[in-house]
Amino acid sequence: QQPVQSPQAVILREGEDAVINCSSSKALYSVHWYRQKHGEAPVFLMILLKGGEQKGHDKISASFNEKKQQSSLYLTASQLSYSGTYFCGTEMSAGGTSYGKLTFGQGTILTVHP
Amino acid sequence: GAVVSQHPSRVICKSGTSVKIECRSLDFQATTMFWYRQFPKKSLMLMATSNEGSKATYEQGVEKDKFLINHASLTLSTLTVTSAHPEDSSFYICSVTSGRGGDTQYFGPGTRLTVL
Repeated sequence: QQPVQSPQAVILREGEDAVINCSSSKALYSVHWYRQKHGEAPVFLMILLKGGEQKGHDKISASFNEKKQQSSLYLTASQLSYSGTYFCGTEMSAGGTSYGKLTFGQGTILTVHP
Repeated sequence: GAVVSQHPSRVICKSGTSVKIECRSLDFQATTMFWYRQFPKKSLMLMATSNEGSKATYEQGVEKDKFLINHASLTLSTLTVTSAHPEDSSFYICSVTSGRGGDTQYFGPGTRLTVL
């Protein structure tokens, strides 16, 4: 089942902060965040694993509430290069194991203006 | 991270023809590869999971006889769109991963297919 992202779109000025949320109705093994620019492939940002482990960029932070099956991506002091569509990909938990399959949210369009 | 290439990057074909898209993992032993389709301004929709040396697992609603997937080695998977129609026009993207839970998926640059 597709996770739900909010908001659908965000418009910022350089230097402003933003939060993008991702919510699932299923038990999750991990949440993956990607940024995609028009006509390009998604670029990996971060993984948040059940149990608290995180892998990703130093300049981007995120949280994962396992009980609520929700994740949030925090973009601080935004730069023009942050513009793009952000997707969360959720990995389901099946008996404590997973095989890497992701279901992506509908995306959040982030636009940063000078 | 892993470097993934796709070929071709763009293809235009006539309706009824078949198109093969290659996905190569250049520096990573990809036990598992995924194939996605993305329509304009839409999300990535998983089409199938490809494991090296075995048959692909297709998502519900994806015709396995229309979208043929072969994963013959740890570095190469191919997607063949058979008897393509205009509604198959889309952005096709592959990703590679170790196949273990919680591991990063590395995406290829995508292939833009236009069927006339």
